[in-house]
Amino acid sequence: GESVGLHLPTLSVQEGDNSIINCAYSNSASDYFIWYKQESGKGPQFIIDIRSNMDKRQGQRVTVLLNKTVKHLSLQIAATQPGDSAVYFCAENEVSGGGADGLTFGKGTHLIIQP
Amino acid sequence: NAGVMQNPRHLVRRRGQEARLRCSPMKGHSHVYWYRQLPEEGLKFMVYLQKENIIDESGMPKERFSAEFPKEGPSILRIQQVVRGDSAAYFCASSQGFGNTEAFFGQGTRLTVV
Repeated sequence: GESVGLHLPTLSVQEGDNSIINCAYSNSASDYFIWYKQESGKGPQFIIDIRSNMDKRQGQRVTVLLNKTVKHLSLQIAATQPGDSAVYFCAENEVSGGGADGLTFGKGTHLIIQP
Repeated sequence: NAGVMQNPRHLVRRRGQEARLRCSPMKGHSHVYWYRQLPEEGLKFMVYLQKENIIDESGMPKERFSAEFPKEGPSILRIQQVVRGDSAAYFCASSQGFGNTEAFFGQGTRLTVV
């Protein structure tokens, strides 16, 4: 079935470096994408979203890039900090199709910040 | 403005008992979603509800699981005759409405079946 997946289960970066977390999706009808951050023992926290009519969206220290041609999504975190350590999930949905499904999540990438 | 509130945070049930998980959406949100998360995995969609209506339950197991979102009060996810495989974290999310899809999650209920 359709699914969203991540390339790497664990990503380790030095504090202060930039991080890039990747996500591949398979549902070509998906038109809404979200990145969530989940810290241990907590619920997913919304980071940033992007709709399919955009290629790039920037937030505070985060940028999401969407490549619809290859169905690829990435999250860039600038100047990573210890507090960025968490599991990051991408999620997608098909909003314009009128479907009422919830979000489809990938398995997650565990981001580890090295001091 | 309180976020999505779930209770209890932790729930322990013996096999065969019933588990009732509650979710109060954010103020002004009328759409509720339930997800299940197994250890080291992503969240799996279970059910989507609006007030007094089940919109999509395609992710709900066919037996023992039910959900409701009454006109008054929280949304309830009910698991009857729990089994060990039901042990997981159950998250609730809410949004303002369909089309405004920024969903906010609660802290989850961690169900342990012993």
